[in-house]
Order: sequence, then structure tokens, then C-alpha cells
Amino acid sequence: GEDVEQSLFLSVREGDSSVINCTYTDSSSTYLYWYKQEPGAGLQLLTYIFSNMDMKQDQRLTVLLNKKDKHLSLRIADTQTGDSAIYFCAETPYNAGNMLTFGGGTRLMVKP
Amino acid sequence: NAGVTQTPKFRILKIGQSMTLQCTQDMNHNYMYWYRQDPGMGLKLIYYSVGAGITDKGEVPNGYNVSRSTTEDFPLRLELAAPSQTSVYFCASSYPLDPGQANTYEQYFGPGTRLTVT
Repeated sequence: GEDVEQSLFLSVREGDSSVINCTYTDSSSTYLYWYKQEPGAGLQLLTYIFSNMDMKQDQRLTVLLNKKDKHLSLRIADTQTGDSAIYFCAETPYNAGNMLTFGGGTRLMVKP
Repeated sequence: NAGVTQTPKFRILKIGQSMTLQCTQDMNHNYMYWYRQDPGMGLKLIYYSVGAGITDKGEVPNGYNVSRSTTEDFPLRLELAAPSQTSVYFCASSYPLDPGQANTYEQYFGPGTRLTVT
């Protein structure tokens, strides 16, 4: 079955860049997503990328996709304390766009 | 729009008790989902629904039941609660993300229900 792996924890200083990594096993994954979960809240969609893309930039966020290695990363430039949260990678196959498989989440801590 | 709302926010159950977690969305989304989130783990899909009157099992359905009599409501029923069901439960609904790209959806999550079974 599908499997999505993330490291558990990342700590950075305010103003530095953060890079959160994700690997997945499903070769039919067509859409890949990053969700953010703030304390005590549900998940919110941050950004997404289609498998026919290598990179997507959205303001301070850059998503890189290496299909060959099945590796996805999320880079946050100029990380702020408000970026402290848990970040989830998720993937979905082409024929089941509504069904997401989530990674375990990476807790990002931003130190002032 | 209130989005996806869930009640209660917190609940403590004794082993063997039953309860219903409520979920309502006011966005007229057809697709709805129930997930559970265990500490340090990702979300596991319990049940989902593609529209009123239609439900299907997800990855971890045992010990749970759902119904979908209206587009808005998707309650999750726990019968005979067990300590293994201690978790945070999230309800979500989804809507097409990009009309130019088929089969992409954004999921909207409720704030969660923290359930403890002792």
C-alpha cells in the first residue's frame, strides 16, 4: 500500500530557511500536497504540486518534486515564529483524487 | 460560512460506553471524511462519503459506524468504546481544487474532537 514518510521534528531560527522533506512510495501518485496544522486546530491546505511539475513557488513557499526518487520538499523562506506548526505531506493517486494518504507530520519549531 | 464544525471539542468516555461525534459543513460539499490522529502519527481515514446516502470504509473502520442522511451532516458513532480509540478525531469535506485539473480536491478540516477512553 501507499506509504508517506516524514522526519518528526525540525528546529530553525527566525529568519532562516526551513526545509521539510517527505518521501512516498506510490508510483501512481499524481498530486502531492502540503497541509499545515496549528496547535488545537484542523489541517489547512498550504500548497500542492502536480506530478508533471518539478517546482512550484508561492510567495515564501517553494515545493520541489523529484519523481525519480519519490521525494517532495517544502522550503519556507525567512521563517517566522508564526510558521511554528506541524506540516503534513499528503499524496493521492490519479484515479482517487479525493483519497489522501498523509505522512506522520513534521513539527517545525521556530526560535526567536 | 462556518465551514466544518465538530462537537464536542473534548470528551472522556468509560470503556464500553457509546457516543456520537457530530460533524456539519455548510459549504454544500458532496465529499466528507472522518480521520483519527494518534500522537506523532499522520491521519488515518476511518470512513468517507461521496454524497448523501453513500458511505464507505476507510483504512481503520473497525469499532465505528457512520451515516449520511443529508449533505450537511456526517456523524461518527462509536459503539463499545475501547482505550485504543483514544485519539483526536477530525471531520473534513472536500471540493474541487482547480477546475483546469481533473481529480484534484482541497480538503477542509474541522477543529477536531479530543476523545479519551479510560
